[in-house]
Amino acid sequence: NAGVMQNPRHLVRRRGQEARLRCSPMKGHSHVYWYRQLPEEGLKFMVYLQKENIIDESGMPKERFSAEFPKEGPSILRIQQVVRGDSAAYFCASSPGGGQPQHFGDGTRLSIL
Amino acid sequence: AQSVTQPDIHITVSEGASLELRCNYSYGATPYLFWYVQSPGQGLQLLLKYFSGDTLVQGIKGFEAEFKRSQSSFNLRKPSVHWSDAAEYFCAVADDKIIFGKGTRLHILP
Repeated sequence: NAGVMQNPRHLVRRRGQEARLRCSPMKGHSHVYWYRQLPEEGLKFMVYLQKENIIDESGMPKERFSAEFPKEGPSILRIQQVVRGDSAAYFCASSPGGGQPQHFGDGTRLSIL
Repeated sequence: AQSVTQPDIHITVSEGASLELRCNYSYGATPYLFWYVQSPGQGLQLLLKYFSGDTLVQGIKGFEAEFKRSQSSFNLRKPSVHWSDAAEYFCAVADDKIIFGKGTRLHILP
């Protein structure tokens, strides 16, 4: 499967735990984007990364959330000390360059108990 | 600031009927515009995109959209819907990141 791969598909955490969401972009894509979708809402941009660089994190909450896209391996969205309000679907997308059509993964559905 | 408005939250049409989903955008320059479709529990699939040139854009699954600069609109159309078209549709505008509308959920009556 050459598409954007996200894992896990579903993640359940208790309040206060850490959540790690992974995203492997499409082959040949070096730009990765993370979006959050709350129930009955559209997708909200969180962060835009290229390899080893954060380009735009204007949509990231100031605390507890971080993202990386290392030289080797997938992009990781990390949420520390999760709270109920973090429950959402988190989607990753990739593109070959900025402004190019983004291809989306199937998302990770995060549930906080 | 860029923004996208999809005024219809839900739309219901009968199978075989024509469809138009509305989208209005706010953007300072010539926008990059997209329509995506999301089936339940799935990610987003790109239906079509407008970058420049011909204002009538053809997409996959028989969809098309027309860019109208004077109306700041990019409405999605399909002449005859199929039951499998039931899904949520998102209009989006982009520079480096994508700004999505809140979506229109399409229901199909048999």
